[in-house]
Amino acid sequence: GDSVTQTEGLVTVTEGLPVKLNCTYQTTYLTIAFFWYVQYLNEAPQVLLKSSTDNKRTEHQGFHATLHKSSSSFHLQKSSAQLSDSALYYCALTPGNTGKLIFGLGTTLQVQP
Amino acid sequence: GGIITQTPKFLIGQEGQKLTLKCQQNFNHDTMYWYRQDSGKGLRLIYYSITENDLQKGDLSEGYDASREKKSSFSLTVTSAQKNEMAVFLCASSMGAGTGQLYFGEGSKLTVL
Repeated sequence: GDSVTQTEGLVTVTEGLPVKLNCTYQTTYLTIAFFWYVQYLNEAPQVLLKSSTDNKRTEHQGFHATLHKSSSSFHLQKSSAQLSDSALYYCALTPGNTGKLIFGLGTTLQVQP
Repeated sequence: GGIITQTPKFLIGQEGQKLTLKCQQNFNHDTMYWYRQDSGKGLRLIYYSITENDLQKGDLSEGYDASREKKSSFSLTVTSAQKNEMAVFLCASSMGAGTGQLYFGEGSKLTVL
């Protein structure tokens, strides 16, 4: 079946340093769309990034990600982490036109001073 | 803009009780979703409805019923609450199936005594 894997449950980084959150997926669908959602404490999840084009970099709010179908990955990166980036981050996949959005387990990002 | 309203925000029930959560959206979106959020387990899809009068099971549908009363509302029923169960249920909507861009409500927190 379709699945999304986020290997790190918690990532801790010092403010100003780069950060990378890993995401890989499995699907049999050729047409897919990928998302990163962010959930701040006591708030609802919201879309951070979206991509459906292979090898095209997508950027928003200083974060960027590139969908690589060859390695089934959509890692999230930022060159300089900010304290306000501390949140729970979910990688998610929409396979074809199934109507489903399949989430990974989530990675908590803690940015410390 | 629009908003998704979930009621109640907090729900306390007894073991074996049938409990219902309600969700309303004013985006005029076609597709609505119910997810369960547990710490360390990500967001798991319970039920979704692509259009009014449609109902689709997610991966976690056992133990739940759902009803799409009209385009703007989607209810979820826990058919028999499990003792010591604690979870957050998130309702979401999207323009159409396959877009992947979901707008979430703030959640309903269930505690079973």
